[in-house]
Amino acid sequence: QKEVEQDPGPLSVPEGAIVSLNCTYSNSAFQYFMWYRQYSRKGPELLMYTYSSGNKEDGRFTAQVDKSSKYISLFIRDSQPSDSATYLCAMTMSYITLNQGGSEKLVFGKGTKLTVNP
Amino acid sequence: EPEVTQTPSHQVTQMGQEVILRCVPISNHLYFYWYRQILGQKVEFLVSFYNNEISEKSEIFDDQFSVERPDGSNFTLKIRSTKLEDSAMYFCASREIGGAGETQYFGPGTRLLVL
Repeated sequence: QKEVEQDPGPLSVPEGAIVSLNCTYSNSAFQYFMWYRQYSRKGPELLMYTYSSGNKEDGRFTAQVDKSSKYISLFIRDSQPSDSATYLCAMTMSYITLNQGGSEKLVFGKGTKLTVNP
Repeated sequence: EPEVTQTPSHQVTQMGQEVILRCVPISNHLYFYWYRQILGQKVEFLVSFYNNEISEKSEIFDDQFSVERPDGSNFTLKIRSTKLEDSAMYFCASREIGGAGETQYFGPGTRLLVL
């Protein structure tokens, strides 16, 4: 089983649609969950991060983490053509685990390519 | 807004040659990372660096790779004898002291092509 799985898409939606992006993971030691946005041939840009389970909202973006299901989501409301990019989920172990010999490396999903059509 | 910078943006080299990729992390950050992304594949962790030493490395980071913080601002990745399969986008990232990996900020990357 892959450590982090993400449907690569592509996903094409009309402008104004609600977009749902998801990842599943297998390692229960992951505690921090991130969403990065990556434009073509550019570096990943941090969008949001969440610690442990719960929701976090930032403008049109909402991140959800369900640790019991090992499932994370990113919702984009009122999607815009400028949201067209590849969205990468990433996760890492907690700082406490790091101190106990864990890992702080980010483990990424493969990314979902999103196109928002005007 | 402070950002991670990387040079060069593109590098083409012959197989067997040495390359050095350079990064300037965000100024108050103390943890540094290199990742790579082969075209069409996941972003993969290579190495983390703190307090002038490697804190973690992946199986990809073999003896052909090395990292260095030669001065107070630069962080470099050296590939001693490049192979065709080293062709990839290489990203530097940094984070501030305190907190966990959620605050890793990435640079724009160096696209390395090995011929």
